[in-house]
Amino acid sequence: KAGVTQTPRYLIKTRGQQVTLSCSPISGHRSVSWYQQTPGQGLQFLFEYFSETQRNKGNFPGRFSGRQFSNSRSEMNVSTLELGDSALYLCASSLVSSGRGSYEQYFGPGTRLTVT
Amino acid sequence: AQTVTQSQPEMSVQEAETVTLSCTYDTSENNYYLFWYKQPPSRQMILVIRQEAYKQQNATENRFSVNFQKAAKSFSLKISDSQLGDTAMYFCACLHSGGGADGLTFGKGTHLIIQP
Repeated sequence: KAGVTQTPRYLIKTRGQQVTLSCSPISGHRSVSWYQQTPGQGLQFLFEYFSETQRNKGNFPGRFSGRQFSNSRSEMNVSTLELGDSALYLCASSLVSSGRGSYEQYFGPGTRLTVT
Repeated sequence: AQTVTQSQPEMSVQEAETVTLSCTYDTSENNYYLFWYKQPPSRQMILVIRQEAYKQQNATENRFSVNFQKAAKSFSLKISDSQLGDTAMYFCACLHSGGGADGLTFGKGTHLIIQP
């Protein structure tokens, strides 16, 4: 079974621009979660989607948004990029939603975003 | 809110030795899961082992085992017969299974170096 895939793997953007990252979960997994990893803050939860609905959201500004499609693929969008948004963005999929007796999450390889 | 603390920023052991990584957590929830993830230099986050809080028996996966002390809120990882490929960042993480969950909460990580 194929693992979680994320595209693109690397991205360089300029301050003020917006960016869209994509995540395809493991086949059969309906929950997709997004995390931001930086050297200073470590790994932080952004949000989770299940059945096209955002179930949970971390403590991030409204510039960070996401969505999930009927095939469980998910995208996250960051608008008005800031230098501090430079990070590794990780997507994880699981069989069920974290709000409903969740279970282990399997991670993709990440998208490295650099904002200049 | 839940917190996860890993008190060892870095550890170094010789190949074939046994090493124990420490993790403590704090949560007010009764139902939760605990995980250890490994992140090698490739940055791919790999699930090592999981533990359901309601299970008293410690989880084991080949050379990896945990010592789960629920009352003390401690969840250490033991790696037996360590191998060069075990060199990586190791993250302890907690996940609530009830409603309003906030995704995985990670510790800051322990950088484990296996010396030949």
